[in-house]
Amino acid sequence: DVKVTQSSRYLVKRTGEKVFLECVQDMDHENMFWYRQDPGLGLRLIYFSYDVKMKEKGDIPEGYSVSREKKERFSLILESASTNQTSMYLCASSPIPGTDEKLFFGSGTQLSVL
Amino acid sequence: AQKVTQAQTEISVVEKEDVTLDCVYETRDTTYYLFWYKQPPSGELVFLIRRNSFDEQNEISGRYSWNFQKSTSSFNFTITASQVVDSAVYFCALSPTHGAGSYQLTFGKGTKLSVIP
Repeated sequence: DVKVTQSSRYLVKRTGEKVFLECVQDMDHENMFWYRQDPGLGLRLIYFSYDVKMKEKGDIPEGYSVSREKKERFSLILESASTNQTSMYLCASSPIPGTDEKLFFGSGTQLSVL
Repeated sequence: AQKVTQAQTEISVVEKEDVTLDCVYETRDTTYYLFWYKQPPSGELVFLIRRNSFDEQNEISGRYSWNFQKSTSSFNFTITASQVVDSAVYFCALSPTHGAGSYQLTFGKGTKLSVIP
């Protein structure tokens, strides 16, 4: 089975801190994604990566950056955390289009910024 | 631009009742995929189904069935004889089958289903 692992289930940080959310997948998938989930807003795409060192902005990239140095790992970085970044963050991976078009998700990281 | 609308924010049913979750979508792509995902309280989204836009055949999988109607841009999901374990948030999603956008899904806002024993 595909496994997408997010390093923390719950995280509490202070305003202004630099925050790293880590995600690792074990199925050699080319694509990786970071979504943010908020009540009443559903899932919104922050960034995605279709290859190592490649990244593309999603719908709400402001205040975030990403890093993909290795194929299996995709990190989301909050350069200076703010209270409006309190949210559930979901990482996902998928193989290249034309193979198995579906996303495999991690369990999420609930981030609270105080 | 793509859009997925799940008009039902929350639904409550009594166990063993049937329930239908609505999904309406908008897209300019001629070919696309439609998805349903389930998010139980544990948090991890679980894939339920993918449907290609050229395949309008309805699908049944156990107590789950999906009704795809291209004419009304709808992809509705029915649970027959609901069970408490069906309690979750359900998301409908859409992606193109070609081009750069095929890497990513556009999700609806989700429908929270509560099945009461």
